[in-house]
Amino acid sequence: NAGVTQTPKFQVLKTGQSMTLQCAQDMNHNSMYWYRQDPGMGLRLIYYSASEGTTDKGEVPNGYNVSRLNKREFSLRLESAAPSQTSVYFCASSDWANGLANGNTIYFGEGSWLTVV
Amino acid sequence: AQRVTQPEKLLSVFKGAPVELKCNYSYSGSPELFWYVQYSRQRLQLLLRHISRESIKGFTADLNKGETSFHLKKPFAQEEDSAMYYCALRGQGAQKLVFGQGTRLTINP
Repeated sequence: NAGVTQTPKFQVLKTGQSMTLQCAQDMNHNSMYWYRQDPGMGLRLIYYSASEGTTDKGEVPNGYNVSRLNKREFSLRLESAAPSQTSVYFCASSDWANGLANGNTIYFGEGSWLTVV
Repeated sequence: AQRVTQPEKLLSVFKGAPVELKCNYSYSGSPELFWYVQYSRQRLQLLLRHISRESIKGFTADLNKGETSFHLKKPFAQEEDSAMYYCALRGQGAQKLVFGQGTRLTINP
């Protein structure tokens, strides 16, 4: 059971280049997320998809686009990379109960280290 | 608006000493609160959730609605506790988590 897998693990881009981060989950979760992790800023939500066919902006969506290709896959695209997008990107998935539930949690991928020069 | 604040970016304690990582939140409804941990070069993983009222790896956290806090505590720190810790909040019916800024905990031998 792989859980959440994301690729690539490491990438160096030049300013202005584009790239897509891929994410797939095998837990049949409805919700998927992209976060970025920066020192002192914690984890900030870029975009999320509460269910197949829907996407919503998070806290820091500017400069990014997403596609929920199917229930398993959620990709993040940088159309024109900027040095400010140098970060570690985490994909995650979850299935939330309507109320409080012991099973509620979010599962993360291993992260993608992106450097924009 | 939902907000999670972890006031300490860095926390360093000696092995065997008590540890307390602070978490305060802002939310008008009844929140669901979590602590996540990230060990070096590993993915984030759930440490504990407030509704479980469980102790994981010796850590506990109590939700204090009056003080809007969810501090993480451990009576005797161990070197393997060195990691990045994130407090997170889910609002009622929400489909996403809001994370705090994280606290890097270092346990000195």
